[in-house]
Amino acid sequence: EIVLTQSPGTLSLSPGERATLSCRASQSVSSTYLAWYQQKPGQAPRLLIYGASSRATGIPDRFSGSGSGTDFTLTISRLEPEDFAVYYCQQYGSSVYTFGRGTKLEIK
Amino acid sequence: QVQLVQSGAEVKKPGSSVKVSCKASGGTFSSYSISWVRQAPGQGLQWMGRIIPMFGIVNYAQKFQGRVTINADKSTSTAYMELSSLRSEDTAVYYCARVSSWEYFDFWGQGTLVTVSS
Repeated sequence: EIVLTQSPGTLSLSPGERATLSCRASQSVSSTYLAWYQQKPGQAPRLLIYGASSRATGIPDRFSGSGSGTDFTLTISRLEPEDFAVYYCQQYGSSVYTFGRGTKLEIK
Repeated sequence: QVQLVQSGAEVKKPGSSVKVSCKASGGTFSSYSISWVRQAPGQGLQWMGRIIPMFGIVNYAQKFQGRVTINADKSTSTAYMELSSLRSEDTAVYYCARVSSWEYFDFWGQGTLVTVSS
């Protein structure tokens, strides 16, 4: 089973700053099957990015995804107050889905 | 617009079973797979298994093999997840999610809190 390691565990930034979140896989992942989600307290996760770099419907263009192989990145270009949340990466392979443990993005 | 509506919160005794439902609307139920994902308090997301209603194919995460059963009723566009031999560590919010053809979760249910307590 592929393990996804997200870093950092917690990221403290201010509104307007740039956020860079990392997701590293224990073995190579198809970019087609790499996604990112945002989750706020008390809510279900929301799809942000699929196929490593494609934004989901309605997602602002300040969110972008990149990467391939074992290293993937979610970038938020200029943080808005509503962006402070927990972010998860997710992959699919061999009929199994796995999630990273998440990065908590908090206000500095 | 696709909507997934789950059944309500449950409180269960250790050793018992729980069955959670997930009713889909706004899309073609059989055309997609439905996965179940759980989240223990303060923890991350954990995939449990999925069903592809069109073919009746089911896959389970190894961690839950033998304890979880996922099925679906195409006539009512409803998926079900039953977890048996409950223990306190199974206390969590259980989500159903629609899986796109690119294997990401594009629509989620509102979550069902299952509390296991004696």
